[in-house]
Amino acid sequence: GAVVSQHPSWVICKSGTSVKIECRSLDFQATTMFWYRQFPKQSLMLMATSNEGSKATYEQGVEKDKFLINHASLTLSTLTVTSAHPEDSSFYICSARPRRQSYEQYFGPGTRLTVT
Amino acid sequence: AQKITQTQPGMFVQEKEAVTLDCTYDTSDPSYGLFWYKQPSSGEMIFLIYQGSYDQQNATEGRYSLNFQKARKSANLVISASQLGDSAMYFCAMREGSGTYKYIFGTGTRLKVLA
Repeated sequence: GAVVSQHPSWVICKSGTSVKIECRSLDFQATTMFWYRQFPKQSLMLMATSNEGSKATYEQGVEKDKFLINHASLTLSTLTVTSAHPEDSSFYICSARPRRQSYEQYFGPGTRLTVT
Repeated sequence: AQKITQTQPGMFVQEKEAVTLDCTYDTSDPSYGLFWYKQPSSGEMIFLIYQGSYDQQNATEGRYSLNFQKARKSANLVISASQLGDSAMYFCAMREGSGTYKYIFGTGTRLKVLA
């Protein structure tokens, strides 16, 4: 099956610093990648959609200057949390939609971010 | 606006019994897809089953089946012969048919299988 990886799996950073999370599709090319945020005991909330080579589309209420998304290739998307604060502590999950399929997204294992 | 509703925050089921997790949805788009995902404590999202809006038959995948009632806008997940490893969070999701391929997720149901 299609595999999506995320790195790092967990990260702790100090308030005010920036953190980059990578999302890679390992055995397929992804037309579109999605970034979700999940707070404890809550559902997944879509943050943004990114297509290779174009600017990401952010959901309402998500600060695009704080959550920088780069989809540089068909297998890699990155999410950078800039000037992180404790309220940004969350579980960040990416997913990727293969070029060949129209509906399914394959999810990465998630990255747990803790901002101290 | 599209919406997914899961009304059961938590469910218990005895091992080897069947359990139904409820999901209702709302959309005005005739083309949509419905998914169920399992999220164990590790956090990974595990795809279980998919139902397209135009599919005539209910989807089945091993012990998982989707009870799709289009007129009632419900897509309940049935897990047969529950196993201890089925204890996890279960999310119902809908793919918007607008061409953006975005998913919206329900609030989830936490299933606990009892030995």
